[in-house]
Amino acid sequence: QKEVEQDPGPLSVPEGAIVSLNCTYSNSAFQYFMWYRQYSRKGPELLMYTYSSGNKEDGRFTAQVDKSSKYISLFIRDSQPSDSATYLCAMRAGNNRKLIWGLGTSLAVNP
Amino acid sequence: DTGVSQDPRHKITKRGQNVTFRCDPISEHNRLYWYRQTLGQGPEFLTYFQNEAQLEKSRLLSDRFSAERPKGSFSTLEIQRTEQGDSAMYLCASSRSDGYGYTFGSGTRLTVV
Repeated sequence: QKEVEQDPGPLSVPEGAIVSLNCTYSNSAFQYFMWYRQYSRKGPELLMYTYSSGNKEDGRFTAQVDKSSKYISLFIRDSQPSDSATYLCAMRAGNNRKLIWGLGTSLAVNP
Repeated sequence: DTGVSQDPRHKITKRGQNVTFRCDPISEHNRLYWYRQTLGQGPEFLTYFQNEAQLEKSRLLSDRFSAERPKGSFSTLEIQRTEQGDSAMYLCASSRSDGYGYTFGSGTRLTVV
């Protein structure tokens, strides 16, 4: 079993839809949780950075962490065609500097 | 400082040749990381530096791979005797010592023919 599981999709939604992206993990030592967006042939771009459990909101993006269920989510409200990209979750333990990544979910927002 | 810079953006090489990639991190970041990413996969950790010290290396980093960060500024990743399986995107990232601000460059895409 991989340490981080993420459904690769693809996920296709109409413009304006609410998008829900999720990852599950097995290592209870993970404390820092990140969501990255990656456009084709580009490096990952940090969207959200969360420590421990709870919610964090930034504009149209909301990140949720449920450590009891080992489950994290990213919600995108009012999705736009420019949101079409691969979304990767990443996480690390407090005493470890390397990130453990999901496979990424490919999202297409159709005008 | 506009972010993490990687050079070259693309590299095509013949099998058996050596290649070297460069990464210039964000100037105030003292941690620097190398990852490798293949199509449809998340990045795989290769190695990381704190200042000039290489603190961790993945088992993925075979003897043909070497990374340096002289003077704790830019870093180079060299692959000797390239193989077709080395074809991938090589990503560099940097962060502060507390791990915050983890920022990636655009990557170097290597194709071994």
